[in-house]
Amino acid sequence: EAGVVQSPRYKIIEKKQPVAFWCNPISGHNTLYWYLQNLGQGPELLIRYENEEAVDDSQLPKDRFSAERLKGVDSTLKIQPAELGDSAVYLCASSLSWGEDTQYFGPGTRLTVL
Amino acid sequence: KQEVTQIPAALSVPEGENLVLNCSFTDSAIYNLQWFRQDPGKGLTSLLLIQSSQREQTSGRLNASLDKSSGRSTLYIAASQPGDSATYLCAVGSYNTDKLIFGTGTRLQVFP
Repeated sequence: EAGVVQSPRYKIIEKKQPVAFWCNPISGHNTLYWYLQNLGQGPELLIRYENEEAVDDSQLPKDRFSAERLKGVDSTLKIQPAELGDSAVYLCASSLSWGEDTQYFGPGTRLTVL
Repeated sequence: KQEVTQIPAALSVPEGENLVLNCSFTDSAIYNLQWFRQDPGKGLTSLLLIQSSQREQTSGRLNASLDKSSGRSTLYIAASQPGDSATYLCAVGSYNTDKLIFGTGTRLQVFP
């Protein structure tokens, strides 16, 4: 069974530029998560989707970040414009449902903002 | 607010040793507790998931315990190997925040 797929793996941009990350979850997983991980820290949730609906986006900086999950499968996370402090690893995860099920993580996208 | 703490932050042991990683959390209203492994530059791999009604889970050389009343979990690794070298993260599924809250991890190095 294929795992969670993310692209790109690495991205280097200049500040104020836009950037987008893509995630394809495990087939059949209704719940999809985007996490932010800073160096030496554990991941922090940005947004959680149940199918197409964003059910928890309380930690998403909505002035510059946006996300979508079309048809309840793939998801895209966008930053516009990027700031120096956005440099981090962006992780996507999926699970059958929220609560009792294991979350499976993708390899992440390492973003560097210059 | 749920806070998750992992001790020690780093650990270096010779191959073959049995070792214990500790995780503590402040709010006992949890769905479950998960242990993950993260290799450098990689995503997280789930090792063990303990539901709130369970006391422990085992997988191969790994055993994780959960004591909700004291807000503690331990991950026991038997007969450690160099391939076990990685960062181990504890995460708690918290009712009050309705999200998975992670600790900062324990960086383990097992040398031959």
